Amino acid sequence: QKEVEQNSGPLSVPEGAIASLNCTYSDRGSQSFFWYRQYSGKSPELIMSIYSNGDKEDGRFTAQLNKASQYVSLLIRDSQPSDSATYLCAVNILIQGAQKLVFGQGTRLTINP
Amino acid sequence: DGGITQSPKYLFRKEGQNVTLSCEQNLNHDAMYWYRQDPGQGLRLIYYSQIVNDFQKGDIAEGYSVSREKKESFPLTVTSAQKNPTAFYLCASSRNTLINEKLFFGSGTQLSVL
Repeated sequence: QKEVEQNSGPLSVPEGAIASLNCTYSDRGSQSFFWYRQYSGKSPELIMSIYSNGDKEDGRFTAQLNKASQYVSLLIRDSQPSDSATYLCAVNILIQGAQKLVFGQGTRLTINP
Repeated sequence: DGGITQSPKYLFRKEGQNVTLSCEQNLNHDAMYWYRQDPGQGLRLIYYSQIVNDFQKGDIAEGYSVSREKKESFPLTVTSAQKNPTAFYLCASSRNTLINEKLFFGSGTQLSVL
């Protein structure tokens, strides 16, 4: 099992709909979870961080964390064409006694006008 | 403006050649990182540094070297021992290496082999 897993997509969503991105992780003890957005050829930018179970909302973005099931998701409401990008999930994982930030392979999201 | 500056944006390497990627930050961050990204893949950690004059290997350090002589600077050398260097290289920094700290990324360097 990979330490952090995402569906690579591509995920196509019509404009105005809700886009749902999922991420599972292997370390039950992980405490920090991040979602980064990356446009093609550009560097990742942080859009959400979440540390406790439940939902965290920021504008059109909602991060959901379920530690018991070891998954974290990102919902994008009222999807816009400008949301088309690759979304990277990152989780702090304990590896060989050290905390490391591990990235999933990313989900490519396309919003269709 | 505070931020992380990577240069060059594009770099070409000849076989057997060592090349160095520059990374400078003026955020006063203690920790700096180098990641490699291959097409359609996530980021893999090459090296990281928590403090000046100290650095640690990441998951894919073979064929790479780094130095941290100044807090602001963390250059990455891709040596001739790295047989498949073509990738997008990202430098990042954070205030420290505590688990809740977010990463700030530079704009990246695309390295290709001639």
